[in-house]
Amino acid sequence: QSALTQPRSVSGSPGQSVTISCTGTSSDVGGYNYVSWYQQHPGKAPKLMIYDVSKRPSGVPDRFSGSKSGNTASLTISGLQAEDEADYYCCSYAGSYTLEVFGGGTKLTVL
Amino acid sequence: QVQLQESGPGLVKPSQTLSLTCTVSGGSISSGGYYWSWIRQHPGKGLEWIGYIYYSGSTYYNPSLKSRVTISVDTSKNQFSLKLSSVTAADTAVYYCATSSTSCVFDPWGQGTLVTVSS
Repeated sequence: QSALTQPRSVSGSPGQSVTISCTGTSSDVGGYNYVSWYQQHPGKAPKLMIYDVSKRPSGVPDRFSGSKSGNTASLTISGLQAEDEADYYCCSYAGSYTLEVFGGGTKLTVL
Repeated sequence: QVQLQESGPGLVKPSQTLSLTCTVSGGSISSGGYYWSWIRQHPGKGLEWIGYIYYSGSTYYNPSLKSRVTISVDTSKNQFSLKLSSVTAADTAVYYCATSSTSCVFDPWGQGTLVTVSS
């Protein structure tokens, strides 16, 4: 059982928007602004898409955005494209004992 | 541009110690400011943070693996290493090395290496 809860799958049509949630507790997601999101295509290493809740690394399209409310963080992908089909993982700092925790991952299907 | 590459045996026997090395190119481990990390992914499953090391040698481990994990750094070779003792089939996974500038910011990653625990 992962520390952070994500939906197992989401889907959307090209051009639409989808949102992936990442639910934790006040000891991780809700307690710190250290939430990041990773995209992973099959057989590839994960790629950082969002960090510090809502910041985008250089080179990541602005179609990808992050937010947080209480103990739930969200990744929104607007203007869905076929290449966005991948697995997405959230990560949160969880304090000085547990440190880093990942979500179980969400499979995004572009219909 | 920092690049990382994992290396090590792809097959380990149960009860033995898994040993992997991550070679860093395009940057120096001892330049400071970064944590050198290991993360694994069980087949078809999610990501699990194993631990990381600062160039000074300070280590931080996942509490669930702490009793079996050792991460070390060799600044002369620009490498860092993972040792996981007393492995079982449950340790079969793709093991990634990555660098981290702050909490949960792992970038870049190595390509990953599959380690299978089997007799």
